[in-house]
Amino acid sequence: DAGITQSPRHKVTETGTPVTLRCHQTENHRYMYWYRQDPGHGLRLIHYSYGVKDTDKGEVSDGYSVSRSKTEDFLLTLESATSSQTSVYFCAISEGGQATDTQYFGPGTRLTVL
Amino acid sequence: QKEVEQDPGPLSVPEGAIVSLNCTYSNSAFQYFMWYRQYSRKGPELLMYTYSSGNKEDGRFTAQVDKSSKYISLFIRDSQPSDSATYLCAVSRQLTFGSGTQLTVLP
Repeated sequence: DAGITQSPRHKVTETGTPVTLRCHQTENHRYMYWYRQDPGHGLRLIHYSYGVKDTDKGEVSDGYSVSRSKTEDFLLTLESATSSQTSVYFCAISEGGQATDTQYFGPGTRLTVL
Repeated sequence: QKEVEQDPGPLSVPEGAIVSLNCTYSNSAFQYFMWYRQYSRKGPELLMYTYSSGNKEDGRFTAQVDKSSKYISLFIRDSQPSDSATYLCAVSRQLTFGSGTQLTVLP
């Protein structure tokens, strides 16, 4: 998985609790992304980062925040988890932000919000 | 209307068959088209990438783009059981993905 790890790999939590997912890369790539994958929707971009402390919203950012204090780590936080946020979350990295820059995906985190 | 539409399948074919996977997209400004393959419980991996119209071939895989009809296709020749996966199309620039087609190749 191109030097990308995600933690935890599985998590079950309750509605209203905060949750933080971590993505760690060893490739020193500038761009990092968080996607969620749901049946019938494919992959949808939540947030992305184009450098340390530089982040921007994606298509489905409501209810999520991100932080990137180091090149290698990109955190996704659900401040107050809801059942609609039950999903598989994928982190991806790329060297640049152009369409020609291949995105490499991590193994995913399966989150269940009860 | 979704920006990228993809038939979710599932699609089941016998080993050795030619497989055709398709997507349509709505924005004529898209220039880059990608196919990702995702094995069960794994992250997607880039399979092929095409710029603008035309065909691109890589071994048993051919990606085709028809910009006039906003239609993209992936053909798999001599399909193998190891090709069983979900295939996602994606369009530029900030990747917009189709919902994926689940393919099973039966030995």
